Amino acid sequence: LAKTTQPISMDSYEGQEVNITCSHNNIATNDYITWYQQFPSQGPRFIIQGYKTKVTNEVASLFIPADRKSSTLSLPRVSLSDTAVYYCLVGDGTGGFKTIFGAGTRLFVKA
Amino acid sequence: DTEVTQTPKHLVMGMTNKKSLKCEQHMGHRAMYWYKQKAKKPPELMFVYSYEKLSINESVPSRFSPECPNSSLLNLHLHALQPEDSALYLCASSQSEGGQETQYFGPGTRLLVL
Repeated sequence: LAKTTQPISMDSYEGQEVNITCSHNNIATNDYITWYQQFPSQGPRFIIQGYKTKVTNEVASLFIPADRKSSTLSLPRVSLSDTAVYYCLVGDGTGGFKTIFGAGTRLFVKA
Repeated sequence: DTEVTQTPKHLVMGMTNKKSLKCEQHMGHRAMYWYKQKAKKPPELMFVYSYEKLSINESVPSRFSPECPNSSLLNLHLHALQPEDSALYLCASSQSEGGQETQYFGPGTRLLVL
């Protein structure tokens, strides 16, 4: 199992770009990197997924270096509503117990 | 439809009660999951049904019993729970595509055991 390590918490201000880095030193060749967002008392919500280099969608970007031992979730111009917990997961797509949530990063956006 | 629904939203039960949590998805996903989440902790995987075959987290006590009547429905039967089982119970589904996997989560059931 590829274990992930993220900062426990981060603070930011509205309008700033936020970068959250996840370390996954023993990532396997077939593993993808997926990020989820979770608000209190709600289920996690998929944000973005990638395998290598850079992926961008309407809410975030994901940067993955060539060695794939880490990844960075980039949230452009955060707002108060982006205050949430962000989880990085690494897995090979077969699901089940091969993909496990790490501790997550609690992002707090201030006005 | 990318929605996973869970009922009930809230549940209060005594330690001698039997209750069930329900989960439903109509995305054609063939994998469904039960997670337990305590406050300020990440979701912890309890059970996985993949193509209606069950995989179990060995640390989950037998007072939790999953059931998958068909590929769209998932139940979690609860019996003789303890107060420490109070938590948010999340259901999720996924369909692996080319090695990628996105899990779609329901809103959860908030369980309180008295």
